[in-house]
Amino acid sequence: GQNIDQPTEMTATEGAIVQINCTYQTSGFNGLFWYQQHAGEAPTFLSYNVLDGLEEKGRFSSFLSRSKGYSYLLLKELQMKDSASYLCAVRDPNQAGTALIFGKGTTLSVSS
Amino acid sequence: DGGITQSPKYLFRKEGQNVTLSCEQNLNHDAMYWYRQDPGQGLRLIYYSQIVNDFQKGDIAEGYSVSREKKESFPLTVTSAQKNPTAFYLCASSAMGQGSDYTFGSGTRLTVV
Repeated sequence: GQNIDQPTEMTATEGAIVQINCTYQTSGFNGLFWYQQHAGEAPTFLSYNVLDGLEEKGRFSSFLSRSKGYSYLLLKELQMKDSASYLCAVRDPNQAGTALIFGKGTTLSVSS
Repeated sequence: DGGITQSPKYLFRKEGQNVTLSCEQNLNHDAMYWYRQDPGQGLRLIYYSQIVNDFQKGDIAEGYSVSREKKESFPLTVTSAQKNPTAFYLCASSAMGQGSDYTFGSGTRLTVV
């Protein structure tokens, strides 16, 4: 089976930096994805990691350590519009082919 | 423009009725997926299909059925056997490459009345 864990809720202040962690235990691994989801909407793609290390994309960065089964999403210069749920997802070909297995998501609230 | 279309956006169903949710894509993607999302929860996989005329059960397939007769279409039927069908349903598609991310539809919110 699979297990993907992330904190349920986080709060931060506008302009700050926040790190959202994700740990996973899967029988296979073929990439880790981060998505952003605003309430009532479909998720949108943020980042993809398949090799160890840091991927940077503007204000968003994502890190992966395969040996530790660990990833984090780093959001810099937080804005009010960053208030959303952040979903960590793993592609495990042993369990579900090309399908992504999602964690329960982390709800981030950004205040002024 | 290429994309993925789910319909309807809102759907009400009486207990004991079957209902079918539509999902159509014109992205030429081989793989399609159905997920269910409950309040405060992540996405749970119902069914997925990687090729026409073939599909696989996900973690919560009981009470649901699908078909994949055409590459573009992957309808989901919520049967009366699904005991708690009220949820937000998301369809997605992807290419088959390793790093291929999903294109999501806008979702269907199903309510049992």
